[in-house]
Parts: sequence; structure tokens; C-alpha cells
Amino acid sequence: KQEVTQIPAALSVPEGENLVLNCSFTDSAIYNLQWFRQDPGKGLTSLLLIQSSQREQTSGRLNASLDKSSGRSTLYIAASQPGDSATYLCAPRSQAGTALIFGKGTTLSVSS
Amino acid sequence: SAVISQKPSRDICQRGTSLTIQCQVDSQVTMMFWYRQQPGQSLTLIATANQGSEATYESGFVIDKFPISRPNLTFSTLTVSNMSPEDSSIYLCSVEEMRLGRDTQYFGPGTRLTVL
Repeated sequence: KQEVTQIPAALSVPEGENLVLNCSFTDSAIYNLQWFRQDPGKGLTSLLLIQSSQREQTSGRLNASLDKSSGRSTLYIAASQPGDSATYLCAPRSQAGTALIFGKGTTLSVSS
Repeated sequence: SAVISQKPSRDICQRGTSLTIQCQVDSQVTMMFWYRQQPGQSLTLIATANQGSEATYESGFVIDKFPISRPNLTFSTLTVSNMSPEDSSIYLCSVEEMRLGRDTQYFGPGTRLTVL
């Protein structure tokens, strides 16, 4: 059974810092992996999707990398802003048409 | 990407009652999923709902407690039956959409349920 761990559980940084959020998963046989952000009491917003054949995917200030063989993904946020404050969730998918498995997330707080 | 709406957005219910949550998508999708997010926890899959077939439930979730309907390719409901305070959670529906050759999941805004 796939298990997902995200480290750190919480992170507080001043505005402008670059930061890395870590995700590890126990079953490396994944189809793809998505990173989401969740604002308090809200639904999930998809940030990046990285296919199992990819090493990384970029969108604006966000960059996600994937090392499938070691069961790790990282989300890099450049030049953090207070608006980035949210919980970030990592979710691998084992195959097409199946549900995502979620970690507990990293709660990020960016102060101005 | 698919736009998903849920009703109600929140509700406060009494123990022993039932609540039906609606999920509407603006495009036809085959795969729909229902998740639960208990306070301070991550998302847990309740069931997968494909149109034209019975929902498939995850371990720990049963149809009598969480009946699901999927009458067409744009709509689904989840009922939380005989509620107890332990059912207080955010309930989210999601859909899988093929976008630029990639299977991507999108989520609705969630239904925040409080059971007294």
C-alpha cells in the first residue's frame, strides 16, 4: 500500500526566500504525481503534474522534480511571497484511472 | 480544466440525520472520486464512482454509510448517513480529466460538515 510522507510538516520563512518541500513515497511504481495547494477550509488547486517519465516540471516560480527510483519528489518555490502561504500536498497515482494517495502536507507561512 | 461545484458548501447537522452532497462538473467525465478530510488530516479516498456502475469503496467505508449515486457523466451525490460527530469533515469530490495527454485530477471546493 502506497504511503506518502511530506517533510517538513510546517515551515515559516520571510518573504523572498527560496524553499524546498519534500515528498517521499513507498511504492516507486507510479504513473504520475501531482502537487496541490490548499488554502484553509478550501478545496485543492492543482499546481503541477509530473509524469513518471519526467524528471521535472516548471510553472512560473514553481518547479517540481521527480526521482521515481528513490521514491522522492520535491517542490521548489522561488522568491516566496505571502500569497504562497498555504498547505502543499503531494499525491502520487499508481496508474491511470486510479485515485491519488495523499501525504499530510507541508503548511507554509511566508511573512512580509 | 474541469470546473467543479459542490452543494452545500457547508452545513451543521444533528446526530443521527443524513446529508446529501452534490457534485456537478461542467464537462463529461468518466472517473469521479469522493474524499474525506478530517480536521487536521490529509485526504482519504472514500470511493470511486464511474457512471453506469456501482461505486467502489475503500477499506473502512461502506455503502450503507456513504451511498453514492452517479446518474450521468456530469453529476454525482454522496450521502453521509446516520451521522455522528466523527463524520465532521470536509468532503471533496474530484474528477479525472485527460489534458494535453496527461491524466490530471481536479477538485471541487469541498463541503464542510459539522455534526453536533
